[in-house]
Amino acid sequence: DTGVSQDPRHKITKRGQNVTFRCDPISEHNRLYWYRQTLGQGPEFLTYFQNEAQLEKSRLLSDRFSAERPKGSFSTLEIQRTEQGDSAMYLCASSLESGRGNEQFFGPGTRLTVL
Amino acid sequence: AQSVTQPDIHITVSEGASLELRCNYSYGATPYLFWYVQSPGQGLQLLLKYFSGDTLVQGIKGFEAEFKRSQSSFNLRKPSVHWSDAAEYFCAVGDTGGFKTIFGAGTRLFVKA
Repeated sequence: DTGVSQDPRHKITKRGQNVTFRCDPISEHNRLYWYRQTLGQGPEFLTYFQNEAQLEKSRLLSDRFSAERPKGSFSTLEIQRTEQGDSAMYLCASSLESGRGNEQFFGPGTRLTVL
Repeated sequence: AQSVTQPDIHITVSEGASLELRCNYSYGATPYLFWYVQSPGQGLQLLLKYFSGDTLVQGIKGFEAEFKRSQSSFNLRKPSVHWSDAAEYFCAVGDTGGFKTIFGAGTRLFVKA
């Protein structure tokens, strides 16, 4: 299967700890996105990479959040000093750069629980 | 600002009955519209998309959606629902810049025997 993969699928941590999530996009996709989804809501855009460049960050992405995409391949999302409000599903998606819109392919997500 | 409204938080239909999930969007230009489905433990899967052209679009799993510009709607339909269709459905709009997709809050579909 050559879809988007995310690791880990589940993460339980204590408040104040740092966590890091990894996303491996579809290999030929040069765009990569991170979303956050809380219970009963649709995914909310967090940030976006084109190749290795981070081109857009949502206001939702506080200073405790940082995302990287070294070499334009996989990406990591780190949350420092986690808070209970960070508990959510973190989704990664990738797409080809296209003038026909933005069809994104999603990974299964990483579910974060902050105790 | 772009937004998507899905008025129904949840819908219950009988297996074999028809289905319509409502979606209204707010977008200044010609929107790129999507419907995704999310099953428990699964990632979001694209059902169908509208960029331009024919306003009735066909998707996977027997779903279709109709774009109505005058009503700012993009409702999802299926003529006969199967138990395996029980899931959460998200309508979304993408901007022409091609990076940001705005999702609705979702409609959870329950299918009863």
